[in-house]
Amino acid sequence: GIQVEQSPPDLILQEGANSTLRCNFSDSVNNLQWFHQNPWGQLINLFYIPSGTKQNGRLSATTVATERYSLLYISSSQTTDSGVYFCAAPFSSGSARQLTFGSGTQLTVLP
Amino acid sequence: AAGVIQSPRHLIKEKRETATLKCYPIPRHDTVYWYQQGPGQDPQFLISFYEKMQSDKGSIPDRFSAQQFSDYHSELNMSSLELGDSALYFCASSLVEKFMSSGNTIYFGEGSWLTVV
Repeated sequence: GIQVEQSPPDLILQEGANSTLRCNFSDSVNNLQWFHQNPWGQLINLFYIPSGTKQNGRLSATTVATERYSLLYISSSQTTDSGVYFCAAPFSSGSARQLTFGSGTQLTVLP
Repeated sequence: AAGVIQSPRHLIKEKRETATLKCYPIPRHDTVYWYQQGPGQDPQFLISFYEKMQSDKGSIPDRFSAQQFSDYHSELNMSSLELGDSALYFCASSLVEKFMSSGNTIYFGEGSWLTVV
């Protein structure tokens, strides 16, 4: 199945700073999602982005499918952005709906 | 908008006991997934159902079973519980791609925390 790698594993920012999180995947994908897991464990959908660029407020994401990576940008970070950010892609083309998660980026935003 | 509903939110069981988790998918969604997330781990796929039939199977132990009912809700049954089964269990749902302009986005419930003591 597909391998999903995220970097950096940990990131500490001062409030107001910008950051870029990276997700590399080992095979071509038709589904790539970014999630935010807050300190209470909730997994919140951020983006469905198999290719191209999307923006939602202070967050944006870009997937370059041909080069097998996706980036999540967080601008003007806030303490409420803290948590773990996961990217996830289908396990295989035969299991297009089963997601494999990366190991996540633990983001801490300091006041 | 309606989300994926899971119950119970928290559950404490003793070793060798049985636990059942319930999941109510987003209305009109035809696929349900179960994931297990251990402490400090990423979510791991267990099993999925499409239109009430098992569609994919991941790293689900033989002690676990699941099914999807006629009203599309799903239950995950876990027997002979072990300490290592302590985890956050997520249910998720989606709708097949051809019906969604946003693609096959998978939506997760808030999770059920299982603690085995």
